[in-house]
Amino acid sequence: GENVEQHPSTLSVQEGDSAVIKCTYSDSASNYFPWYKQELGKGPQLIIDIRSNVGEKKDQRIAVTLNKTAKHFSLHITETQPEDSAVYFCAADTGRRALTFGSGTRLQVQP
Amino acid sequence: DAGITQSPRHKVTETGTPVTLRCHQTENHRYMYWYRQDPGHGLRLIHYSYGVKDTDKGEVSDGYSVSRSKTEDFLLTLESATSSQTSVYFCAISGGVYNEQFFGPGTRLTVL
Repeated sequence: GENVEQHPSTLSVQEGDSAVIKCTYSDSASNYFPWYKQELGKGPQLIIDIRSNVGEKKDQRIAVTLNKTAKHFSLHITETQPEDSAVYFCAADTGRRALTFGSGTRLQVQP
Repeated sequence: DAGITQSPRHKVTETGTPVTLRCHQTENHRYMYWYRQDPGHGLRLIHYSYGVKDTDKGEVSDGYSVSRSKTEDFLLTLESATSSQTSVYFCAISGGVYNEQFFGPGTRLTVL
């Protein structure tokens, strides 16, 4: 089955700096890669996603890049703010309408 | 939370007792999922449903069963709860062309 590795497990940045979270996947048939943000005590929230026919997607301060040859994708957050502090998860679609998630990155933005 | 509710939100039970968690959606989405979340493991799929009475196993399905008799409701049952099933359980729904999943608020289950 699909295996998704996510790094780093924790990330601390200064407010205004950029943050990058990286994921690799194992199944070359995967074609959909969402990112979720989870705040304490809440369910994960879909923040951005990318499909296999696109190399990059942006939405305001967040962007995702995908390298299908290398089987990795990344989340980029620019101009970080304290409210960006949360746990972020990457995921890959196995093709059965089921997602396999990475183990999460705890992002702390220091004011 | 995209029209998804979970009940109960918190439950404490004893080893060996049966437990049923409920997920209810108002979005009329075809797909529904149950995940568990544990420290260091992210979210792991337990079971999912691709229609009324149509279900399939995920990666951690042992000890769990599910049922879906109506589009809007997806039930997760622990036939005989064990301490290893102490976790936070999330329901998710999906209905788009791609697998955009939207999550409920979660149920924190403690098995003593």
